Amino acid sequence: QKEVEQNSGPLSVPEGAIASLNCTYSDRGSQSFFWYRQYSGKSPELIMFIYSNGDKEDGRFTAQLNKASQYVSLLIRDSQPSDSATYLCAVGSGGGADGLTFGKGTHLIIQP
Amino acid sequence: DVKVTQSSRYLVKRTGEKVFLECVQDMDHENMFWYRQDPGLGLRLIYFSYDVKMKEKGDIPEGYSVSREKKERFSLILESASTNQTSMYLCATSPGATGNEQFFGPGTRLTVL
Repeated sequence: QKEVEQNSGPLSVPEGAIASLNCTYSDRGSQSFFWYRQYSGKSPELIMFIYSNGDKEDGRFTAQLNKASQYVSLLIRDSQPSDSATYLCAVGSGGGADGLTFGKGTHLIIQP
Repeated sequence: DVKVTQSSRYLVKRTGEKVFLECVQDMDHENMFWYRQDPGLGLRLIYFSYDVKMKEKGDIPEGYSVSREKKERFSLILESASTNQTSMYLCATSPGATGNEQFFGPGTRLTVL
C-alpha cells in the first residue's frame, strides 16, 4: 500500500524565518509530487508541484525532491502569519487515470 | 483557472435519508474524485471516475455510490445516511492525460443527525 508520511506538528516558526516542511513516500515508482495548503475549514489549494530531482522555486516557496531518498520538502522563506495552515504532501505515479496519495498534513503556525 | 463547485457548503440530514452531493467542473477535466476528510484521518478516497459513466471504488466506498452522466458533473450519493457519515466531503478534478494534479471544490460539511 502506498504511504505518504508527514509530521503532524504543530510546527511553530517565527515570522520572517524559513519554515521547512518534510514528507517521505513509500512507492519508489512515484513520478509527481505536490504540496497543498489548507486553511481551517477550507479545501486544499495547490501551491507547488515538482517532477524532477532538485529544487523548484516559485516566489517565497521552494519545493525540493530527492527520489533516491524518497523525500520531498517545502521551504517557505520570509514566513508570514498568513502562511499558518496545514500543508498536505501528495504523491502520484503518473498521469492518466491515476490518483494521488495524500499525507495527513503538517500544521504550521507562524508566530508574529 | 479551474473552477470546481459543490452544490452545498453546509448540509444537515437525518439518519436514513438519501443524500445527494453534486460536483461540477468547468475545465473539461477527465478525472473526478470524491473524498471525505476527518480530523486525524486525513483525506480518504471514496470513489473516482476517469470517464463518463465510468467509476472506480476508492478506499472507503461502503455506504456510498456515485453517478457521472456528463463529463462535467460527478455526484456522490449516500443511500441511507448514518451518523458516522458526518464529515467534510471534498470533490476534486484532474486533467488526466496531461497531468494528475488535483483541484478541489470548496467542500460540503455534512452533518447527519
